Amino acid sequence: EIVLTQSPATLSLSPGERATLSCRASQDISNYLAWYQQKPGQAPRLLIYDASNRATGIPVRFSGSGSGTDFTLTISSLEPEDFALYYCQQRSNWPRTFGQGTKVEIK
Amino acid sequence: EVQLVESGGGLVQPGGSQRLSCAASGFSFSSYSMNWVRQAPGKGLEWISYISSSVTTVYYADSVKGRFTISRDNAKNSLYLQMDSLTDEDTAVYYCARDFYDSAGYARGVFDYWGRGTLVTVSS
Repeated sequence: EIVLTQSPATLSLSPGERATLSCRASQDISNYLAWYQQKPGQAPRLLIYDASNRATGIPVRFSGSGSGTDFTLTISSLEPEDFALYYCQQRSNWPRTFGQGTKVEIK
Repeated sequence: EVQLVESGGGLVQPGGSQRLSCAASGFSFSSYSMNWVRQAPGKGLEWISYISSSVTTVYYADSVKGRFTISRDNAKNSLYLQMDSLTDEDTAVYYCARDFYDSAGYARGVFDYWGRGTLVTVSS
């Protein structure tokens, strides 16, 4: 099973600041990584697939990068609605696995 | 509009069984592979099962293999999860989630639409 490790666990930032979230895979997963956003009481929302492709309707301030084992989700300028939990997920192997999440909170 | 609506959650005793359903609408259900993903209270996401559009392929997480069975009825636009031998570790919100297909029609192994989830509580 591929283990995804996200860091940091919590990111405390102010609106307008840049957020950089990391996801590291336990083995090479090529670019088969996705990012989701989840707000309290809601289902996750797909943001990025295949490491760098924005899903439909996702604002351009969200961008993804990386390949192999190291991946990054960047939010260029935080909007109030971006404070949430973020998960990475790999599709390289079965079982599909998620990281443990990074919480982006208001500083 | 794509909609996925889960039902069937509730309180169940340890060792018991529960069957979850997911009613799909707003898309051609029979053309999409589907998944179940769960989230224990205050915890992260855990993928637990996949079924292909044609029902020929299924996968399970080790944590549920041998106890849970995924199925679908394309005529009824419905996805199911039969859960047996439940333990308190199965307490979670259970989401059904649709596989994302790119513009070329390839499944990307990620999940673009999710239901709101149904809570299963395993407790005596």
